[in-house]
Amino acid sequence: GAVVSQHPSWVICKSGTSVKIECRSLDFQATTMFWYRQFPKQSLMLMATSNEGSKATYEQGVEKDKFLINHASLTLSTLTVTSAHPEDSSFYICSAPPGQGHSPLHFGNGTRLTVT
Amino acid sequence: DQQVKQNSPSLSVQEGRISILNCDYTNSMFDYFLWYKKYPAEGPTFLISISSIKDKNEDGRFTVFLNKSAKHLSLHIVPSQPGDSAVYFCAAKKKAGNTPLVFGKGTRLSVIA
Repeated sequence: GAVVSQHPSWVICKSGTSVKIECRSLDFQATTMFWYRQFPKQSLMLMATSNEGSKATYEQGVEKDKFLINHASLTLSTLTVTSAHPEDSSFYICSAPPGQGHSPLHFGNGTRLTVT
Repeated sequence: DQQVKQNSPSLSVQEGRISILNCDYTNSMFDYFLWYKKYPAEGPTFLISISSIKDKNEDGRFTVFLNKSAKHLSLHIVPSQPGDSAVYFCAAKKKAGNTPLVFGKGTRLSVIA
């Protein structure tokens, strides 16, 4: 079945540094990928929609200059957390729809980011 | 505002019994609903879905019921097994195609042997 691979699975970085998270669709092409964030015991909140060949669409309250998204190809989207701060510590998950219509989103395994 | 609500943060069920997880939504534009299972530090895994034109969908031990007039859906797991213990998320989307899912806060199910 459709598989989404996310890397790294966890990362610890110092405050002020940048971190890049990769999301790959392994056996299908994804013109669109979605980036979610989950705080402890909270829902998965949509951050942005990554569009291949065009700019990402960000949800209200998400800083586009802080969370840089690049959809470089039909199988790769990256999220870069720039100048990370401790409040950016969270669980980041990417997802992609494997087809048209009402196909269930397939999710990566997530990235646990801890900013010290 | 929370468009998809799971009002029970946790549920404990005896092995072999039925687990019923509930979900309510407020946006009448939602026309496709899904249930995902999630373990800590992992991405959600798709379980079962239902289109708004149906009121029931069954897949093995999992059945999802949809009551459109009440804007309510439920996931039934029978019989419940210890391996079903996880957090279950209800999700909804507005239309076909590449649209994102809106998630509830999840319900932690514990199946006791």
